[in-house]
Amino acid sequence: EAGVTQFPSHSVIEKGQTVTLRCDPISGHDNLYWYRRVMGKEIKFLLHFVKESKQDESGMPNNRFLAERTGGTYSTLKVQPAELEDSGVYFCASSQVTGPYEQYFGPGTRLTVT
Amino acid sequence: QKEVEQNSGPLSVPEGAIASLNCTYSDRGSQSFFWYRQYSGKSPELIMFIYSNGDKEDGRFTAQLNKASQYVSLLIRDSQPSDSATYLCAVANQAGTALIFGKGTTLSVSS
Repeated sequence: EAGVTQFPSHSVIEKGQTVTLRCDPISGHDNLYWYRRVMGKEIKFLLHFVKESKQDESGMPNNRFLAERTGGTYSTLKVQPAELEDSGVYFCASSQVTGPYEQYFGPGTRLTVT
Repeated sequence: QKEVEQNSGPLSVPEGAIASLNCTYSDRGSQSFFWYRQYSGKSPELIMFIYSNGDKEDGRFTAQLNKASQYVSLLIRDSQPSDSATYLCAVANQAGTALIFGKGTTLSVSS
C-alpha cells in the first residue's frame, strides 16, 4: 500500500511569488491534514479535511494560504504571495477514521522563500 | 505556557540501555497521546499511542500516561543505534482531530 506522497520535495521561491504544494493521501483515507514546521519550532496544525470539506482550518496563519481538496482525493495548499516567514517544512497526513486515531505522515515539502 | 513540552536533548544512551523520553502537556482535558519517531529528513512515523492511564507495551516500547500529573513518557528497552532519531510527543486537540506536537527529543544511541 502506498503511503502519503507529497510534491514537490523541495521548493525555492522568491518573496511575492506563488507556490502550490500537493498531497496525495493513502487510498481510502477520508481525512487529510496539513501541518507545518518552521525552523526551530514544533510541528503545527494548519487544517483538516474530511473528504472534500474543510472541518477545521483554525491553524491557517492568514488568507495568503488556500487549501483545496476537490473530489476528496488529493489536496493542494497554495501560498500567495509567499513571505519569508512561510519558509519551513509542510507535512501532509491522512487517516482512515475521523477522531484521535493514527495519522500517517508524508515526507514533507521543504519550502524556502528568499 | 507551551501546550506540549519535551526536553530537546540530546539524550545519549549506550546500546542495550533503557532510553526514557518525557513529555508534559497543559490541557487537562486531553484524552489521546501519541509518540512519533522522525529520522532526519524523513516523515514522522507513529510508534505508539495511549489513551488510558497506566502503561502500554509494544515490543521494546512502553508508553506511560499519568493524566493527573499531565505527563506521558516513552521507554525504549534494549536501545539500538537504529533508534537514534527525534521522538515527537503529540496530544490530540479537544475535537480529537488535530495533533499538537512538542518540539521533540533527539535520542542518540551509541554502539
